[in-house]
Amino acid sequence: EAAVTQSPRNKVTVTGGNVTLSCRQTNSHNYMYWYRQDTGHGLRLIHYSYGAGNLQIGDVPDGYKATRTTQEDFFLLLELASPSQTSLYFCASSDDGGNTGQLYFGEGSKLTVL
Amino acid sequence: GDSVTQTEGQVALSEEDFLTIHCNYSASGYPALFWYVQYPGEGPQFLFRASRDKEKGSSRGFEATYDKGTTSFHLRKASVQESDSAVYYCALGESNMGYKLTFGTGTSLLVDP
Repeated sequence: EAAVTQSPRNKVTVTGGNVTLSCRQTNSHNYMYWYRQDTGHGLRLIHYSYGAGNLQIGDVPDGYKATRTTQEDFFLLLELASPSQTSLYFCASSDDGGNTGQLYFGEGSKLTVL
Repeated sequence: GDSVTQTEGQVALSEEDFLTIHCNYSASGYPALFWYVQYPGEGPQFLFRASRDKEKGSSRGFEATYDKGTTSFHLRKASVQESDSAVYYCALGESNMGYKLTFGTGTSLLVDP
């Protein structure tokens, strides 16, 4: 069973604050993703990566940076947080070797920007 | 760009009812289609996929058939249970993009016992 762990699970910050969301997967998957989930929008892709040092732009990247430091670790950075970034963030990983397109999601990080 | 449309935001049923959740897609290529399920407090879980026209995917009593002609991948289950209450997401993706999945807005299913 794939394991994807996110931290923190809950975070409250103020407008203009710095936030880093962390994600670690322990299954040697090449692909990792950051999604945000909002009512009425479903899941929207922010950034993704297919290996250490690689970064690909997703569909809603504005206001977000990301960095993949190792095969296991993928970080999402909000350098000047805004209330519009209040959301539930999910990290996911996938094994492209099997080419199934099956993503394994973490349990989510709830971010509130006041 | 590619998109997925789920017309039902919420569906309320009783146990043993028949379920249909509609999913239509728009894509420039020939994507794979997916259903994911999300239980309260958890991340989405892969349910099943189909990657070519007329292919049927299925899991846990749920099924959907890839229909390229109508650009649809509707989710069906013959007899729902209270434990099926969850949010269901339809998604599409292409392998040459590392399965960058595009999700629909989700359908919340509530099943009364």
